[in-house]
Amino acid sequence: NAGVTQTPKFQVLKTGQSMTLQCAQDMNHNSMYWYRQDPGMGLRLIYYSASEGTTDKGEVPNGYNVSRLNKREFSLRLESAAPSQTSVYFCAGSGDSHYEQYFGPGTRLTVT
Amino acid sequence: GNSVTQMEGPVTLSEEAFLTINCTYTATGYPSLFWYVQYPGEGLQLLLKATKADDKGSNKGFEATYRKETTSFHLEKGSVQVSDSAVYFCALSDNTGRRALTFGSGTRLQVQP
Repeated sequence: NAGVTQTPKFQVLKTGQSMTLQCAQDMNHNSMYWYRQDPGMGLRLIYYSASEGTTDKGEVPNGYNVSRLNKREFSLRLESAAPSQTSVYFCAGSGDSHYEQYFGPGTRLTVT
Repeated sequence: GNSVTQMEGPVTLSEEAFLTINCTYTATGYPSLFWYVQYPGEGLQLLLKATKADDKGSNKGFEATYRKETTSFHLEKGSVQVSDSAVYFCALSDNTGRRALTFGSGTRLQVQP
C-alpha cells in the first residue's frame, strides 16, 4: 500500500519546455488535488478533481493543465514552463470522511 | 474568502520545553481544522484534526482545541524533542463539495538538545 506517489522527484526545465508531473494513489480516494509550495506562502491549490472525469480550477491555475485519467491517476502538465513556476509540487488525495488529505512526497521543479 | 494565519517562525526551543504555535482562521460556516507537519525533504503528514467546535485533536503528544469563539486552533505540546523539529502548517477545509484545504504559511520549529 504505497499511498500517494509522485514522479519525478526532481526536475530541471528550461523556459518554454513542457513536462507532465504524475500522481497516483492506491487509497481509493475520489478527490485528488495539486498544490504548489513556495517559501513563506504555505500551499496553494492549482487544480482539483472531485471524481473521475471531472476537474476544476483552484487558486493559481494559470499556466497549468490537468488530466484525471482514472480514479487512481491525476497528472499536472506545464505546457510552456516559466521561471515563476519554480516550486515544489504536491499531489494529495481525499476520501469521503472529514476532508483530511493525504499527500505525496512532492516534486521539486526548477525552471531556468 | 477563507484564510489561515500562523505565527511566524522560526521558533527555537530547548528539548523538553513547552510549545505553542498560534493559529487563527477566517471562514464562513463551520470548517474542519487540521495541523500538518513537514519533515525536511518530505511531504506533509496529517498530525491532528478537529471537525467541530470544542473538539480537541491529539496525536504524538501534540494537542489543539477548536475554539469557535476566538476562531483559533493553537498547537501545543508539553515537552518537545529534537525529533519534533519540522515545519508545522495549520489548515482548514470549508466542508463544501470542493473540500480543498486553505493553509497557513507554516511555522518552522527548531528544537535544540
